[in-house]
Amino acid sequence: QSVLTQPPSVSGAPGQRVTISCTGSSSNIGAGYDVHWYQQLPGTAPKLLIFGNSNRPSGVPDRFSGSKSGTSASLAISGLQAEDEAAYYCQSYDTSLRGLWVFGGGTKLTVL
Amino acid sequence: QITLKESGPTLVKPTETLTLTCTFSGFSLSTSGVAVGWIRQPPGKALEWLALIYGDDDKRYSPSLKNRVTITKDSSKNQVVLRMTNMDPVDTATYYCAHEDNDVLTGYRSIDYWGQGTLVTVSS
Repeated sequence: QSVLTQPPSVSGAPGQRVTISCTGSSSNIGAGYDVHWYQQLPGTAPKLLIFGNSNRPSGVPDRFSGSKSGTSASLAISGLQAEDEAAYYCQSYDTSLRGLWVFGGGTKLTVL
Repeated sequence: QITLKESGPTLVKPTETLTLTCTFSGFSLSTSGVAVGWIRQPPGKALEWLALIYGDDDKRYSPSLKNRVTITKDSSKNQVVLRMTNMDPVDTATYYCAHEDNDVLTGYRSIDYWGQGTLVTVSS
């Protein structure tokens, strides 16, 4: 069971907008720790997509955006494209016994 | 340009000890604030953090694996080594090493570079 909770799957048609939630608790996201998002294309290593809750690394399209509020965070993808089909993971930090780096269970995005 | 690459056995037997090496370039693990961690991913499942080591040799471990995992570094060789004892078939996974540091412009800290991963199968 992952420390951060994500929906197992989301889907959308090309051009649409989807959001992926990441719910934590008072010992991680709610404690003020930053949330990062990673995109994992099939058969590849995760790639940093959003860091510091809402910042995009160089080269990441502005179709991807992140936000954080309270004990939750969200990743939004607008103008869905076929190449966005991947697994998305949120990650934060936790000072409880549950660990330092903590990840969500991952969300599989299907582009219809 | 930062790169990391994992190496080690692809097959280990139950009860054996797994030793994986992460060889990196493009940064120094002697630099304050830089860290290298290990994460694993069983087939079709989620990412799980295992261990983390900082440039000052501070080490952190996942509480669920703390008794089985050891992380060390050799800054002169640009390597980080993960040892996991008493391997079990449930430990079958792709093991990744990754770099964590503060972004130069924003100061936010994140896992910004990952190795390609190495699949380790535990089977007799």
